[in-house]
Order: sequence, then structure tokens, then C-alpha cells
Amino acid sequence: DAGVIQSPRHEVTEMGQEVTLRCKPISGHNSLFWYRQTMMRGLELLIYFNNNVPIDDSGMPEDRFSAKMPNASFSTLKIQPSEPRDSAVYFCASSRSGEGSDTQYFGPGTRLTVL
Amino acid sequence: GESVGLHLPTLSVQEGDNSIINCAYSNSASDYFIWYKQESGKGPQFIIDIRSNMDKRQGQRVTVLLNKTVKHLSLQIAATQPGDSAVYFCAERTGGYQKVTFGIGTKLQVIP
Repeated sequence: DAGVIQSPRHEVTEMGQEVTLRCKPISGHNSLFWYRQTMMRGLELLIYFNNNVPIDDSGMPEDRFSAKMPNASFSTLKIQPSEPRDSAVYFCASSRSGEGSDTQYFGPGTRLTVL
Repeated sequence: GESVGLHLPTLSVQEGDNSIINCAYSNSASDYFIWYKQESGKGPQFIIDIRSNMDKRQGQRVTVLLNKTVKHLSLQIAATQPGDSAVYFCAERTGGYQKVTFGIGTKLQVIP
């Protein structure tokens, strides 16, 4: 089984540029999560979707961040414009809701560096 | 200025010994807890979970203990191996769908 797939694995961009991170969840999973991990703040939940609908985006830092899930097999996290403080590793995770099936499976992450 | 990051607690264990990693959680209403392992350069990987109606659950070489009275969770690793070296996170589900909150993590160093 393929796990959660994220692309790109590494992204280096300049301040002010738009960045789009991509995620393909595990087939059959109906919940998708975007996390950000930094040395300063650890692992933070940014937003999560259930059945393609955003449920909680309270972790999104500001309006520069947006996330979409147009279908069950694809999600994007966009930062526009990017800033150096956005540098972090961004993880996507998916899970299948239901009793006994709450485990989140994480992708390998995208390491973002904003210069 | 000097950058300041999270100071991860570190546990150093001799290979072959048992490891115990502790976690205090915050919400007495949390009903589900998970332990994750994160190796360098990788995403967190599920190890074991436990629901609030249980106080102990065992897996392969790992045991999770839950003490709801003092809001404490522990992960025990038997016969620790070099491959167990990683950062270990506890996470609690705080209500509503599958939203979970992660702790800051504990770094486990296995000494060969």
C-alpha cells in the first residue's frame, strides 16, 4: 500500500513567492490533516478536512495560508506571499474516521525554506 | 540574536535495557491517546494507541499505560535497540472528529 504522498520533498523559494504544497492521502481515508513542524513551536495542526470539507482551520497562521481539498485524493496548502518565518517542515496526514480507526498516517513531509 | 528552540527532554538508555517515556496530558476530557515515533528526516509514525476506558495496552515490545487520575501517559519499550533512537510524541484527542494535540516530544538515545 502506498502511504501518504507529499510533493515536493524540498522547496527553496524567495520571500514573496507563492508556494504550493501537495498531498495525496491514503486511498479510502476520509480525513486529511496539514501540520507544520518547527524547532520553535514543535508540531502544530494547521487545518483538517473531513470528507473534503474543512472542519477546523484555527491553526492556520494568517490569511497568507490557504488549503483546499477538491476531491478525496488530493489536497493543497498554499502560502502567498511566503515569508522567511514560514520556513518549516510541512506534514500531511490522513486517517479513516470511525471507531477504532483514528490513527493518523503521516507523509514524509515537505521541507520549505524561504530565503 | 540567539535563536531559541524547544528544549526536548532527552532519555539515554543502554541497548538492551527497558525505556520508559512519560507524558503529561492536559485535557481530562480527552478520550484517545496515541504514541508516535519520529526518526530524523521522516514523518511521525504510529506506534500504539489507547482509549480512555483502558489503562494498559500492549504491542510488540511496547506497552502504553494510562493514568487518568493524574493525566499521565507512559510508553515502555522493552529491550531497547539502536533502531529505537528517535523522538517520541504523545498525542491526545481533544474532541470533535480526529483532531489531536501533540506534546513537544522526548528524544530517546540508545547507547550501543
